[in-house]
Amino acid sequence: AQSVTQPDIHITVSEGASLELRCNYSYGATPYLFWYVQSPGQGLQLLLKYFSGDTLVQGIKGFEAEFKRSQSSFNLRKPSVHWSDAAEYFCAVAVTGGGNKLTFGTGTQLKVEL
Amino acid sequence: EADIYQTPRYLVIGTGKKITLECSQTMGHDKMYWYQQDPGMELHLIHYSYGVNSTEKGDLSSESTVSRIRTEHFPLTLESARPSHTSQYLCASSEGGLSSETQYFGPGTRLLVL
Repeated sequence: AQSVTQPDIHITVSEGASLELRCNYSYGATPYLFWYVQSPGQGLQLLLKYFSGDTLVQGIKGFEAEFKRSQSSFNLRKPSVHWSDAAEYFCAVAVTGGGNKLTFGTGTQLKVEL
Repeated sequence: EADIYQTPRYLVIGTGKKITLECSQTMGHDKMYWYQQDPGMELHLIHYSYGVNSTEKGDLSSESTVSRIRTEHFPLTLESARPSHTSQYLCASSEGGLSSETQYFGPGTRLLVL
């Protein structure tokens, strides 16, 4: 069965600094990969997704992620963090032919210092 | 982007009561899902549906039940609420075709059972 690991439970960055959130997956074939963001008390908002093609994908709010097959990783990046980016970020994987079921990582809580 | 609505947003109820959490989507998506999320934890799939009259149990065992009588509506019911059911419940839906793996989430229902 597929799994997703987000090694960092909490990350604190200063406003304006760059950000990288790590995500590693375990699956035999190429999965569908997603990053979602969850603000306190809210549902999940899709930031970006990777299905195939260009391994560097652009998302909303200035986020991007790079799929690296050799490292089984799909790290999320942003060159300059804004205070409004403080939230919880979830990486998720869906397997081809898996009936659309998503497997989520445990999430990374991002704190932004002003 | 899908419009998904969940009511109530917050519910505090006593042990033994029957509750129904509502989820509706206006985009005509065939596939719908229910996730359970404890504070600071990942999401776990508890129910999903591929269309009208189709319901399946997810990866996490749950005492709740679901129904799918109409495409746009996917309610979740707990016949007798217990404190162990205290959690956040998130509803999601996805469209068909190549983009079918992309799930769009509602704002969630926070349930507290006393």
